[in-house]
Amino acid sequence: DQQVKQNSPSLSVQEGRISILNCDYTNSMFDYFLWYKKYPAEGPTFLISISSIKDKNEDGRFTVFLNKSAKHLSLHIVPSQPGDSAVYFCAAIPLSNTGKLIFGQGTTLQVKP
Amino acid sequence: EPEVTQTPSHQVTQMGQEVILRCVPISNHLYFYWYRQILGQKVEFLVSFYNNEISEKSEIFDDQFSVERPDGSNFTLKIRSTKLEDSAMYFCASGGGSGRGETQYFGPGTRLLVL
Repeated sequence: DQQVKQNSPSLSVQEGRISILNCDYTNSMFDYFLWYKKYPAEGPTFLISISSIKDKNEDGRFTVFLNKSAKHLSLHIVPSQPGDSAVYFCAAIPLSNTGKLIFGQGTTLQVKP
Repeated sequence: EPEVTQTPSHQVTQMGQEVILRCVPISNHLYFYWYRQILGQKVEFLVSFYNNEISEKSEIFDDQFSVERPDGSNFTLKIRSTKLEDSAMYFCASGGGSGRGETQYFGPGTRLLVL
């Protein structure tokens, strides 16, 4: 069974501080992991991805860390801004090579000014 | 910046009716997907489409569902006989590369309500 889990439904952070969003997966047969951000009434927007052969990828304020032994990944946002307030989805691509995404439940991030 | 578009943004239909959800993927993309999100639940994969055929489909994608790329630009999802449980937000996505690790770009979604 290929599952992706985000166990924290919400997170509240002060502007300027670090936001850490977590994600766990239950199957080792994932090829890539991605983070998407979603605002109400919009589709998910790609943020950052990481290959299963890497342990870190950084893009500006966003860094994704992958711990394969723990089957865990996290998204760090530094510094957090009020505009980052949205629902964040962790997603994984299995090795099936069709590119389908398996999503977590999402974590709602609120960044307070 | 190129974007995926979807029409209509909202659709209300009676149970048992057919609906067609339309998507215009990004023009040079080769991989196309439909996902749905029932209120309060995860975004779920429905189907992937490449080279004019389905490359993978989920258990949700039964005989009531079909996809088509009728004219080289549109990508449609048809639900033949809608059920109450088909009420959801339906997202179209497209990707440019081999699919593996390639970013998928999502449309804004169609909110389908089956009464």
